[in-house]
Parts: sequence; structure tokens; C-alpha cells
Amino acid sequence: DTAVSQTPKYLVTQMGNDKSIKCEQNLGHDTMYWYKQDSKKFLKIMFSYNNKELIINETVPNRFSPKSPDKAHLNLHINSLELGDSAVYFCASSQRGTTGELFFGEGSRLTVL
Amino acid sequence: GDSVTQMEGPVTLSEEAFLTINCTYTATGYPSLFWYVQYPGEGLQLLLKATKADDKGSNKGFEATYRKETTSFHLEKGSVQVSDSAVYFCARPSGNTPLVFGKGTRLSVIA
Repeated sequence: DTAVSQTPKYLVTQMGNDKSIKCEQNLGHDTMYWYKQDSKKFLKIMFSYNNKELIINETVPNRFSPKSPDKAHLNLHINSLELGDSAVYFCASSQRGTTGELFFGEGSRLTVL
Repeated sequence: GDSVTQMEGPVTLSEEAFLTINCTYTATGYPSLFWYVQYPGEGLQLLLKATKADDKGSNKGFEATYRKETTSFHLEKGSVQVSDSAVYFCARPSGNTPLVFGKGTRLSVIA
């Protein structure tokens, strides 16, 4: 059973399009995250949700909108895609009280042409 | 802000060689420290952690000791295998952010 699963794994699209990436975790965790990994492997947090409530919103363009319908799901919608949005997006989850112990999905590689 | 700095890669070693990947952290408080590993085409996995000074984290033959005096958490392995080829990330919490990561060090082990 996959603990943190993301779909799609690969996404190729044109500039200006709108796309979504879905994430689900079956670990019963309270908190979920989106991280962005650029071409040099640098990882930066984008958003964090705790029990469907937004608690971290880093300086990310407002074209990026996270949505958490329940605590097991955190989706990422991106409007008006730009070339610089090309990256691997990782979803992760953690349980409250377990500092720094995150469980990551396999990543969604977004390529904007 | 709080951060970690790790050695630039890539690192290429022969099988059974000794591995060290350096990591230092900014000395604000006494954060928990972590090493994560990313195998090709996969997400990150927690490799080991240490929660206080002088703690040693260990897993799969890898070790790292939390050294307050040198604000370091270097990753070591006595004898690497081809299957250890991956990108290794040092990390720590920072404020509300659960983890801030170093830039990653790519390790390639050749037979």
C-alpha cells in the first residue's frame, strides 16, 4: 500500500494552461505539505495544511492554490502556467508531535513548454 | 533564517570506500537534525535523525553525530555499495517550517 500517493507522476503542458496535481495519504496524519524541487534538486516548502487548515503559505505566486477537502487529501492547482513552474512537486505528510519526520510521495514532474 | 549547509557534490566513490558528507547548521537553539535520501525516481525518505547534542543517528550502515561544538551533523558510512547511489539531504526544522533542506549531495558509487 502506497502511503503518500500523487497523481499524475508526469505532466507535460503548454504555457498558459491550468493544471492540478492530487495527493492522498493513508497514514492518518494530520498535516500535509507541498514542496517544490527545482532542476538543481533544491527543495523549498510551498504550503502546509493541518487538518484542512492552511498554516504555511510561503512566498508562492497566487497562481498556485492548494485545496484540502479533508485531512487525507491536499491538491495543488496551478493557473496560467509559466516556464519557470517546471519542477518536481512533492507532497508529504506528518503526524503532529513528530518534528521533522515527513513521509514523501514519489513526486510529480511538471514540464511547461 | 535557520538553515543547513552541506558539501557540494557530486561525490563519486568506488564500492567499499568510506563516505563522508559534511553538513553544518545555523546555531539558533538546539534543533533536531535529519538526513534524508532520495533514490533515483523516488521521493525523499528519512535516513536517520538526532534530537539533541551528542546523539548519534544510525540506519542502514550510515551514521551521523550531532556535534554542538562544531554545529555539525556529518553523514558517514564505512563501506558504500552501488545501491547507496542517491542524493542525500541534510535538514532541520525552522519556525513553522517542518524542514528546511540543504542543497543535496549526489553520491555515485561505482563497482
